Amino acid sequence: DADVTQTPRNRITKTGKRIMLECSQTKGHDRMYWYRQDPGLGLRLIYYSFDVKDINKGEISDGYSVSRQAQAKFSLSLESAIPNQTALYFCATSASGSEAFFGQGTRLTVV
Amino acid sequence: AQSVAQPEDQVNVAEGNPLTVKCTYSVSGNPYLFWYVQYPNRGLQFLLKYITGDNLVKGSYGFEAEFNKSQTSFHLKKPSALVSDSALYFCAVRSWSTDKLIFGTGTRLQVFP
Repeated sequence: DADVTQTPRNRITKTGKRIMLECSQTKGHDRMYWYRQDPGLGLRLIYYSFDVKDINKGEISDGYSVSRQAQAKFSLSLESAIPNQTALYFCATSASGSEAFFGQGTRLTVV
Repeated sequence: AQSVAQPEDQVNVAEGNPLTVKCTYSVSGNPYLFWYVQYPNRGLQFLLKYITGDNLVKGSYGFEAEFNKSQTSFHLKKPSALVSDSALYFCAVRSWSTDKLIFGTGTRLQVFP
């Protein structure tokens, strides 16, 4: 089983719809991250969390929200999806100061 | 502000030749530095890291990277490139104070037979 699992792997949704991307990890790490990847822009940090009660905005948090339901679960929501949120989304987890482990990604298309 | 720059969108190299993928960073305090590789339709795989100690760090698949504090650089190197090394490479920096992990824009490495 993968250390970091993202669901769904692919999703097509309509403009204005609410959508949630889920992430769970079995590494036992306290830190979890959400990134989006766009061609030529690399990975940009959306939100990050150091524990259940510590959630921080990243570089591009507008239009997104997150929930840390447990140490192992970190979900990303798009309250009202728009086409420029079409991207590849990655969840990651790490221990303090150490390398991050990534999920396989969720390819989201907003039409 | 914390940032990472990968100045080359693409690096082309012939198989068997040495390769270098460049990375410079900006961060307050001591940096934690990382390299990741991404193959098509896959997630990111960790290659190597610099936390402290020797400036030359060795990682997976024969890759190594040299930390240069004065130049704020962490270039990825390999003595002899393989066609199978062709992929997208990302440099990342973590600040010791915020522990926020920031990535560069990526460099596509193309190794030709």
